[in-house]
Amino acid sequence: AQRVTQPEKLLSVFKGAPVELKCNYSYSGSPELFWYVQYSRQRLQLLLRHISRESIKGFTADLNKGETSFHLKKPFAQEEDSAMYYCALQNFGNEKLTFGTGTRLTIIP
Amino acid sequence: DTGVSQDPRHKITKRGQNVTFRCDPISEHNRLYWYRQTLGQGPEFLTYFQNEAQLEKSRLLSDRFSAERPKGSFSTLEIQRTEQGDSAMYLCASSSWPDSNQPQHFGDGTRLSIL
Repeated sequence: AQRVTQPEKLLSVFKGAPVELKCNYSYSGSPELFWYVQYSRQRLQLLLRHISRESIKGFTADLNKGETSFHLKKPFAQEEDSAMYYCALQNFGNEKLTFGTGTRLTIIP
Repeated sequence: DTGVSQDPRHKITKRGQNVTFRCDPISEHNRLYWYRQTLGQGPEFLTYFQNEAQLEKSRLLSDRFSAERPKGSFSTLEIQRTEQGDSAMYLCASSSWPDSNQPQHFGDGTRLSIL
């Protein structure tokens, strides 16, 4: 069965410091991995996906198949990064998303 | 297009009552998904449609739950004989298949509270 694990429920980081939100997954096939973000009073929205290999709002994430991880990183945190972050996995050929439990990131001014 | 729209935003009802939620997807999207999110958890998949066909249902979707998408546009999710454990945020998402570049777009959700 597929599973996504986000070990940190809460993470506080000072403004300007580096950020890393951890995500590990278990899946036997070739998954697609995503990071979704939910800002205060807003809907869940896509932040980035591993196949795009883009940097969005300064965030990057690299899929490490050996460690089955997809950690989200940003070198310098900004106050507007405070939000709830969810890592999600999608089967190849089946668009159902499996989400982790989320990490609430708080940036301390 | 304002994105995925869900109605109502909040629903409070007594245990044992039936409730129905509506989701209007992004107009050109042919796939529509329902998820449920309880406190402290990520969204959990319930079911999805491609046009009017319901292609998959999670085991979370007991026989008290039924979803429809009769004309391949909006969808309804009905819960019969509600129970305390049904209290959750019900999220709808839509996407365009087979355009793999299109992610799932989520609505604001319907928050259900069972008294």
